[in-house]
Amino acid sequence: DGGITQSPKYLFRKEGQNVTLSCEQNLNHDAMYWYRQDPGQGLRLIYYSQIVNDFQKGDIAEGYSVSREKKESFPLTVTSAQKNPTAFYLCASSMQGVTEAFFGQGTRLTVV
Amino acid sequence: AQSVSQHNHHVILSEAASLELGCNYSYGGTVNLFWYVQYPGQHLQLLLKYFSGDPLVKGIKGFEAEFIKSKFSFNLRKPSVQWSDTAEYFCAVNWRGRDDKIIFGKGTRLHILP
Repeated sequence: DGGITQSPKYLFRKEGQNVTLSCEQNLNHDAMYWYRQDPGQGLRLIYYSQIVNDFQKGDIAEGYSVSREKKESFPLTVTSAQKNPTAFYLCASSMQGVTEAFFGQGTRLTVV
Repeated sequence: AQSVSQHNHHVILSEAASLELGCNYSYGGTVNLFWYVQYPGQHLQLLLKYFSGDPLVKGIKGFEAEFIKSKFSFNLRKPSVQWSDTAEYFCAVNWRGRDDKIIFGKGTRLHILP
């Protein structure tokens, strides 16, 4: 089945540790996105990538990093510099020209 | 900066009532417009989208939306809601030709009373 796979579904980390969230798509989409969802805040864009080996900061990129070495993969690293990392993280992808964004199931990250 | 505003943060309706959720976006040219829904415990799914043509678009589950260019608005409507419409609704905008960035509103939590 075509789609977007995020893993793991739940993730726990100790404060001060970096953690990487996985996002893989087999839809052959060019663009990929990472959003953070907090209650009452909607979806806020962290990073997006329109093409392999290129990505742009979104509205809340501080404390996060990404890479786009392969078309199908767009991992997100939450670094220790992110002041409030506990959140629900959503990955999405779309065709170039943004006809529609398809979402993964999300990863709930809890930092203790 | 590009922005999307949803005016209703939490809406409570009885079954069979009519629904209208507001969405406005900042000026910035030609846009692609979307409404997404997130049912409890489920992932985001597309309700409807507008790219061009007829400004009144119909989506799944009886939802529709109207694009009013002069008001930079894309309001979501449903004539008669059901208990199963309880969910969170998000408006999203892509400013076409600029980049592939998609900006979401803060969402509206809809609660339908049986």
